Amino acid sequence: DTGVSQDPRHKITKRGQNVTFRCDPISEHNRLYWYRQTLGQGPEFLTYFQNEAQLEKSRLLSDRFSAERPKGSFSTLEIQRTEQGDSAMYLCASSGIGSTFGSGTRLTVV
Amino acid sequence: DQQVKQNSPSLSVQEGRISILNCDYTNSMFDYFLWYKKYPAEGPTFLISISSIKDKNEDGRFTVFLNKSAKHLSLHIVPSQPGDSAVYFCAASVTGGTSYGKLTFGQGTILTVHP
Repeated sequence: DTGVSQDPRHKITKRGQNVTFRCDPISEHNRLYWYRQTLGQGPEFLTYFQNEAQLEKSRLLSDRFSAERPKGSFSTLEIQRTEQGDSAMYLCASSGIGSTFGSGTRLTVV
Repeated sequence: DQQVKQNSPSLSVQEGRISILNCDYTNSMFDYFLWYKKYPAEGPTFLISISSIKDKNEDGRFTVFLNKSAKHLSLHIVPSQPGDSAVYFCAASVTGGTSYGKLTFGQGTILTVHP
């Protein structure tokens, strides 16, 4: 059990570019969550998968955001046409109550 | 609307003394509450939790108290140690239904424990 892994740890991109993040949950955990954290705030829920099914999406998840979890294993979060307001820490968590979080991907849009 | 609030952005405590971190919530549907600790450049780490059927849960130096009528919970750390210095987040969840496991977080409190 290596915990929740997220890749990359840091990403700097120019405004308008597309970015994709990956999350590898703890093996056999069927629930996977994405959160976003901005400076001075707590993590905010973005979306949630149970196995490969995306069961809930926050209104924070605009149509520029898409998440997938093919085969119920790893998950990807893609942001298209990035904006400066997308700069944040993107966190992935595995399982349910008492979720285990990854170290996050720090996105900076310049 | 901020359903979970931590009104103290920071707290400074002397080593060996008690640290008390507070959290208020507004959504009466929340029935499970958690505290997470976060160091810079790392993800939150689960500390302790409490179900709404209890009013106290203890784990070593950490105790969480829940006052449902006041919609208030607190985390007590006794004795505080310099290694406890971090950001502490309160989180709440509704355990029933499809939102199981979805956490709503407070803004966090920066705890500094001085040697």
